Amino acid sequence: DIPLTQSPSFLSASVGDSVTITCRASQGIRWHLAWYQQKPGQAPKLLIYAASSLQSGVPSRFSGSGSGTEFTLTISGLQPEDFATYYCQQLNPYPFFGGGTQVEIK
Amino acid sequence: QVHLVESGGGVVQPGGSLRLSCAASGFTFSGYGMNWVRQTPGQGLEWVAFIRYDGMIEDYADSVKGRFSISRDNSKNTLFLHMSSLRPEDTGVYYCAKGLHYYDSTFNWFDSWGQGSLVTVSS
Repeated sequence: DIPLTQSPSFLSASVGDSVTITCRASQGIRWHLAWYQQKPGQAPKLLIYAASSLQSGVPSRFSGSGSGTEFTLTISGLQPEDFATYYCQQLNPYPFFGGGTQVEIK
Repeated sequence: QVHLVESGGGVVQPGGSLRLSCAASGFTFSGYGMNWVRQTPGQGLEWVAFIRYDGMIEDYADSVKGRFSISRDNSKNTLFLHMSSLRPEDTGVYYCAKGLHYYDSTFNWFDSWGQGSLVTVSS
């Protein structure tokens, strides 16, 4: 496995803020990274795949960037429904998830 | 609309066995790779197993290799996870998850998930 390190682990923000979550891989994974959102009691939901491709139906305020070892998820203008836990995930050589970033209301 | 419904979870003693099922609808099941992913208190989200769209390729996380077996019945649009020699650390919510791309032979992003099935391994 290629470990993924997410930062921060916890983030407090207000509605309307723009926030950025970082995911670092211990070695290069090209663009093989995705981002998921999970709300309490629900399954994860795919937001971004292949580092920057927006999954169908996901609002455009979510964006992803990066390649190699450093990736970011940006939420531009937090909405009340965006307060959740976010996970990054890579595919090389096996699917592997980061530890998560909990985004809470300030 | 994609719909995945897991069943078969429950409480089992260490060393015991359990079979999870995932009923799929709303898409061409036989055209997509499928996965099991679990969420445990200790390890967070962990991919468990993958099976190719035709059932001819399987792969497993090291933590379950030799104990778990993934299978599918494309005629019944159903995915299975046979779990044996269960350990307390296997306790968690098990999700079935659909691969994003059609007819992809390898690992893929998980674009649809079931609601999860709770497995508790305890004496």
